[in-house]
Amino acid sequence: GENVEQHPSTLSVQEGDSAVIKCTYSDSASNYFPWYKQELGKRPQLIIDFRSIVGEKKDQRIAVTLNKTAKHFSLHITETQPEDSAVYFCAASKGSSYKLIFGSGTRLLVRP
Amino acid sequence: GAVVSQHPSWVICKSGTSVKIECRSLDFQATTMFWYRQFPKQSLMLMATSNEGSKATYEQGVEKDKFLINHASLTLSTLTVTSAHPEDSSFYICSARDQASGRDEQFFGPGTRLTVL
Repeated sequence: GENVEQHPSTLSVQEGDSAVIKCTYSDSASNYFPWYKQELGKRPQLIIDFRSIVGEKKDQRIAVTLNKTAKHFSLHITETQPEDSAVYFCAASKGSSYKLIFGSGTRLLVRP
Repeated sequence: GAVVSQHPSWVICKSGTSVKIECRSLDFQATTMFWYRQFPKQSLMLMATSNEGSKATYEQGVEKDKFLINHASLTLSTLTVTSAHPEDSSFYICSARDQASGRDEQFFGPGTRLTVL
């Protein structure tokens, strides 16, 4: 089955700097890649998602890229702010099953 | 956006008892819902796919006789943890996709924190 790996597990950046989180997936049939932000004790919140026909997608300070050949995808957050501090999860799913397989998570700390 | 609710938000029970958790899609219908378990500081692990009107599909390593799933309507799925033990203490989260929207996005419930004494 699908396996999603995520790095780094923790990331500390200075406010205003950029943060990059990387994921790899194993199943080449995966075609939907969402990213979630989760605060302690809360539900995951979708921050951006894309399908594999798109190589890159941007939404204000957030961008995602996909390398289908290498089966890598990344989340880029620019101009980080303290309120960006949370745990971020990547996920992948394929076809009609729609079940999401999550990465292990990245704890992002943005220092004021 | 679509809203998913869960009930209860937290529950404490004694070892050996059963606990039922409800997951509801409030403003859309969902033939499929998903149940996840999240231990502290860990990722969301898919437990099973709940299918309306048919049996749930369990992920490898998840005991179907321990985690009973019923999806009796297009807006409600329930997860029953039978004979709960302390190691079942976790954060249980459901999700559902609004199929009518045609989008892949899944909407998550707020989660249920289960503590087994």
